Amino acid sequence: DQQVKQNSPSLSVQEGRISILNCDYTNSMFDYFLWYKKYPAEGPTFLISISSIKDKNEDGRFTVFLNKSAKHLSLHIVPSQPGDSAVYFCAASVNDYKLSFGAGTTVTVRA
Amino acid sequence: DVKVTQSSRYLVKRTGEKVFLECVQDMDHENMFWYRQDPGLGLRLIYFSYDVKMKEKGDIPEGYSVSREKKERFSLILESASTNQTSMYLCASEPGQGFYEQYFGPGTRLTVT
Repeated sequence: DQQVKQNSPSLSVQEGRISILNCDYTNSMFDYFLWYKKYPAEGPTFLISISSIKDKNEDGRFTVFLNKSAKHLSLHIVPSQPGDSAVYFCAASVNDYKLSFGAGTTVTVRA
Repeated sequence: DVKVTQSSRYLVKRTGEKVFLECVQDMDHENMFWYRQDPGLGLRLIYFSYDVKMKEKGDIPEGYSVSREKKERFSLILESASTNQTSMYLCASEPGQGFYEQYFGPGTRLTVT
């Protein structure tokens, strides 16, 4: 049973606008969350992370928000650029090195 | 820069064949992982290793085994390949000691016919 869920398989957004990717989890023991980005024919690359003691982490155009009570996190990309077109995976960990991944959301940024 | 390399980008094997997938990392990382990626299922952990000669089962170990004889190398073995093992296989490494970020190789697209 998947403990990390990305319910939107795809997202299309206009260049320059905001992309919002959502992720829900069921395991309340998760204490660290990560987002990975994957281009076709490449391995995933780490994008941004957040610890459960925080509710927001920002890195340039990327911001991750964590709502522990709702067991929900989101990734905001502002402004979206064509190079952001990729598959985004949400992942979570319970205080160890094993990660549980969501199914991924494919983002397409339209010019 | 961390580099994780995988021995093949594409592989076609027949049902029943023994298949070896090799992964090498060059950053002296403690932990190494094998995942498979399937549409709609994301990345699922097959096996991981936290030290040389040490291994632990992940979420879907059935039909697979692993070997880690040297710190930098982690091999995934399909003892008798089956068509339901057609997938994208991804290797990753991680420094260990509470550091969660994993570094991935480019993947091996395995087709079993």
